[in-house]
Amino acid sequence: NAGVTQTPKFQVLKTGQSMTLQCAQDMNHNSMYWYRQDPGMGLRLIYYSASEGTTDKGEVPNGYNVSRLNKREFSLRLESAAPSQTSVYFCASSSRGRGQKYTEAFFGQGTRLTVV
Amino acid sequence: AQSVTQPDIHITVSEGASLELRCNYSYGATPYLFWYVQSPGQGLQLLLKYFSGDTLVQGIKGFEAEFKRSQSSFNLRKPSVHWSDAAEYFCAVGIYGANNLFFGTGTRLTVIP
Repeated sequence: NAGVTQTPKFQVLKTGQSMTLQCAQDMNHNSMYWYRQDPGMGLRLIYYSASEGTTDKGEVPNGYNVSRLNKREFSLRLESAAPSQTSVYFCASSSRGRGQKYTEAFFGQGTRLTVV
Repeated sequence: AQSVTQPDIHITVSEGASLELRCNYSYGATPYLFWYVQSPGQGLQLLLKYFSGDTLVQGIKGFEAEFKRSQSSFNLRKPSVHWSDAAEYFCAVGIYGANNLFFGTGTRLTVIP
């Protein structure tokens, strides 16, 4: 049981290049999320997908796009990378259990992205 | 506006000493509360959570936290810190009807021998 798997773990991009961060979960969760982590700012939500077929903007969506490919997979795309997007990116998933109003989020190991 | 505050950016404690990490939140409704720990280069691991009921919750690795509604706080405690507890700790809040979590800025814990 792998949980939440992110690829790649490290990436260096040149300004203007594009790339897609991949995320997959094997816990049959409905909801998936992309966060970015920057020093002194905690984790900020970029986009989330409450269920298969839906996506919504979070706190810092500019410069990113997402695709909920199926229930397991949620990808994050940078169309034209900028140095301000240098960060650690985390994918997470969660699902409301029966009788619960909320459940915790499970996180991947992160992708460390540097844009030069 | 919704907010989660962790007032201590960095805390240093001696191994074997007690620990308390502070977390305050600002929301209109009763939130769902979490503490996560992040070791260097790793993802976030859930330490404990509060949804309802007993306001003192026990977590993994000997941690506990107490929800105090009157103070809008959810402080994390451990009676005796181990060197392996050195990490960054994040408080997070969920709201009923919203799918995402709101995170504090984190507290980095250093443990000295």
